[in-house]
Amino acid sequence: EPEVTQTPSHQVTQMGQEVILRCVPISNHLYFYWYRQILGQKVEFLVSFYNNEISEKSEIFDDQFSVERPDGSNFTLKIRSTKLEDSAMYFCASSRAGVVVYEQYFGPGTRLTVT
Amino acid sequence: AQKITQTQPGMFVQEKEAVTLDCTYDTSDQSYGLFWYKQPSSGEMIFLIYQGSYDEQNATEGRYSLNFQKARKSANLVISASQLGDSAMYFCAMREGSNYQLIWGAGTKLIIKP
Repeated sequence: EPEVTQTPSHQVTQMGQEVILRCVPISNHLYFYWYRQILGQKVEFLVSFYNNEISEKSEIFDDQFSVERPDGSNFTLKIRSTKLEDSAMYFCASSRAGVVVYEQYFGPGTRLTVT
Repeated sequence: AQKITQTQPGMFVQEKEAVTLDCTYDTSDQSYGLFWYKQPSSGEMIFLIYQGSYDEQNATEGRYSLNFQKARKSANLVISASQLGDSAMYFCAMREGSNYQLIWGAGTKLIIKP
């Protein structure tokens, strides 16, 4: 069964450094998403992406963040100048289409620890 | 105001019993979808079941069913014949027709006792 994959599974970085989190969505899916979950808290939406453009973003997704689909398979989240409060589990998700009925399939997550 | 409310932070249930996890939602959209996800201690997010706002019948997927009461704006997850492997966090989420994002509840930690 196809699945979303994410690398690395765990990343430790120092405050102020840049990190790139990588995702490979399910191959026939067209919509891609990033969410984050700070330990013990709710899952929060960051951004959705379709046709090489951001289709929706949250207030969290400020200039510190960017997304890119550098080739036909990868989808990346870049976090510039990381802060301690960026420590969280970051989930990538994909869906076949953008309409409500299509569920979003999640990757296993990347645990980001900022020290 | 909270768009998704899960009022049970934690539940203990005896193995083989049925369990209902509560979820209420708030939206003014006519078109929306309600989703339940399971998050085991390993951390991944597993899709369980979906209910569309226009669906007249309650969704079912194996041991999972969704008790959808539109007038009450509730979408409770029912797990029949619970198993030890059902121990996990369970999240209710909503997608409004006008948006792409999933809006999440705070989750319910379910522990199945042998």
